[in-house]
Amino acid sequence: EAGVAQSPRYKIIEKRQSVAFWCNPISGHATLYWYQQILGQGPKLLIQFQNNGVVDDSQLPKDRFSAERLKGVDSTLKIQPAKLEDSAVYLCASSRIWGGSYTDTQYFGPGTRLTVL
Amino acid sequence: GQQLNQSPQSMFIQEGEDVSMNCTSSSIFNTWLWYKQDPGEGPVLLIALYKAGELTSNGRLTAQFGITRKDSFLNISASIPSDVGIYFCAGQGGTNAGKSTFGDGTTLTVKP
Repeated sequence: EAGVAQSPRYKIIEKRQSVAFWCNPISGHATLYWYQQILGQGPKLLIQFQNNGVVDDSQLPKDRFSAERLKGVDSTLKIQPAKLEDSAVYLCASSRIWGGSYTDTQYFGPGTRLTVL
Repeated sequence: GQQLNQSPQSMFIQEGEDVSMNCTSSSIFNTWLWYKQDPGEGPVLLIALYKAGELTSNGRLTAQFGITRKDSFLNISASIPSDVGIYFCAGQGGTNAGKSTFGDGTTLTVKP
């Protein structure tokens, strides 16, 4: 079974530029997560989708970050415009099901390392 | 928001030694998770704990869910070089069980 796919693996941009990341979850997984992992810290949840609906985006900086999962399969995360403090690894994860108080194991992709200069 | 304090921040041990790391929180969690992250990869789940007091093993790994539901520890016995990596604890709780709060990790180095 193929794992969670992410692209690109690395991206270097200048501040105020825009960038987009793509994630393809494990086939059949209804729930998709985007995390931000700053160097030396644990991952922080940015947004969680259940199929193509948003479950939780309370920690997403909505003035510059946006995410969509239009067909309930793959997803894109965009930053516009980027700031220096956005330099981090952006991880995508998926799980089979989510039922509010119950969730299945999350499987993480390899991440996209973003450097903002 | 919820925060997890994970310690130690880093460990340097000799191959064959046992390792212990722990996580504490000011908040109660319903589930404790332990992950390992290798360079350039995403975290991989090692052990999941669902009940206060639960003690679970996975090979050389043993983890426990604290009785107060505010802490957890992970032990690795007879460490080997491939145990090198960053170990994260994570807690889940509340109405959104999918929302994991992660600690900042313990970096483990094993000297052959």
